[in-house]
Amino acid sequence: EAGVAQSPRYKIIEKRQSVAFWCNPISGHATLYWYQQILGQGPKLLIQFQNNGVVDDSQLPKDRFSAERLKGVDSTLKIQPAKLEDSAVYLCASSYRDRVQGRETQYFGPGTRLLVL
Amino acid sequence: AQKVTQAQTEISVVEKEDVTLDCVYETRDTTYYLFWYKQPPSGELVFLIRRNSFDEQNEISGRYSWNFQKSTSSFNFTITASQVVDSAVYFCAFTAAGNKLTFGGGTRVLVKP
Repeated sequence: EAGVAQSPRYKIIEKRQSVAFWCNPISGHATLYWYQQILGQGPKLLIQFQNNGVVDDSQLPKDRFSAERLKGVDSTLKIQPAKLEDSAVYLCASSYRDRVQGRETQYFGPGTRLLVL
Repeated sequence: AQKVTQAQTEISVVEKEDVTLDCVYETRDTTYYLFWYKQPPSGELVFLIRRNSFDEQNEISGRYSWNFQKSTSSFNFTITASQVVDSAVYFCAFTAAGNKLTFGGGTRVLVKP
């Protein structure tokens, strides 16, 4: 089974530029998450989608960050304009609920490492 | 609000030694789930284990074992007979309703040959 795919793996931009990240979840996973992981810290949730609807975007800096999952499958996360403090790894995860056992586990992609100069 | 604390920032051991990683959580929820993830240098978070709040049975999987104690709000993780390939950052995480994961700060494990 293919895992969560993300691209690009690395991106270097200058502050005030725009950048976009792409995520393709595991097939059949209804829930998709974007996390930001700053160096030396644990990941922090930015936004959670259930199919193509937003479940939680309370920690998304909406003045500069946006995300969409138009067809309920893959998703893009955009930063416009970028700031120095946006340098981080952006992780995408997906999950599905096991109807028999009621379990839901998030599986993560390799992440996109963003450096803002 | 939920909080996950991993007090150990870095642990260094020699191969074949045992390593125990501490995790303490805070919550008012009665139903919740705890996780451990491994993040090797490649950066991908690898799922290791999931525990729900009603299941305090400890678990062993190969060289890994987990000790969940609800009375002390702890979910500790032990690697037995560590190997160089175990070198990574290990994250403890928590979720209640909504499936949002709250992560601890991580513990970096360095296993020297």
